[in-house]
Amino acid sequence: NAGVTQTPKFRVLKTGQSMTLLCAQDMNHEYMYWYRQDPGMGLRLIHYSVGEGTTAKGEVPDGYNVSRLKKQNFLLGLESAAPSQTSVYFCASSYRSGGWNTEAFFGQGTRLTVV
Amino acid sequence: QKEVEQDPGPLSVPEGAIVSLNCTYSNSAFQYFMWYRQYSRKGPELLMYTYSSGNKEDGRFTAQVDKSSKYISLFIRDSQPSDSATYLCAMSVDGGTSYGKLTFGQGTILTVHP
Repeated sequence: NAGVTQTPKFRVLKTGQSMTLLCAQDMNHEYMYWYRQDPGMGLRLIHYSVGEGTTAKGEVPDGYNVSRLKKQNFLLGLESAAPSQTSVYFCASSYRSGGWNTEAFFGQGTRLTVV
Repeated sequence: QKEVEQDPGPLSVPEGAIVSLNCTYSNSAFQYFMWYRQYSRKGPELLMYTYSSGNKEDGRFTAQVDKSSKYISLFIRDSQPSDSATYLCAMSVDGGTSYGKLTFGQGTILTVHP
């Protein structure tokens, strides 16, 4: 089982450049999330999606856009990268079953440096 | 003030020690309580999952939730060097509109030395 796969694993961007991070899950989960992890801050929710074609803002959405055109894919875009977006980005997926929230499965992360 | 507070450590213990990790929270609507383990340069993996108050045991790991005090704990018995990792507490509210969104603590870095 591949689970949650993130592409790329590492990237260095110059300030002002754009890029797209790709997340793919093969578990048929309805919910998908993008988190960022910074030292001393834990993981913070950027955007999330509750189904194909839907997206919503999380705790720290500024400077990011997302799209969920297919159920298995969730894309995170940076239109004009800034040094403050240097972070490790994690994609996750989960679903709700029988009235219960289930665990979130995480990808391996994308290490992004903006210089 | 953050909704979830966790002492980042670092915490260093000898092999075989009992480890206690803790988080406090301020949002009384949290109903799901989780502990994730994250090895260096890897994604978080679920370790323990608890709904509402009480204790849950799985092998060497015990999770406790005290909703009256807004305090959760993870105990590791007979700690091993392979337990060296960052431990993240995470919480979410109940209900269909929560959509499983998690609020994390800062994470505690644990090193178990032989």
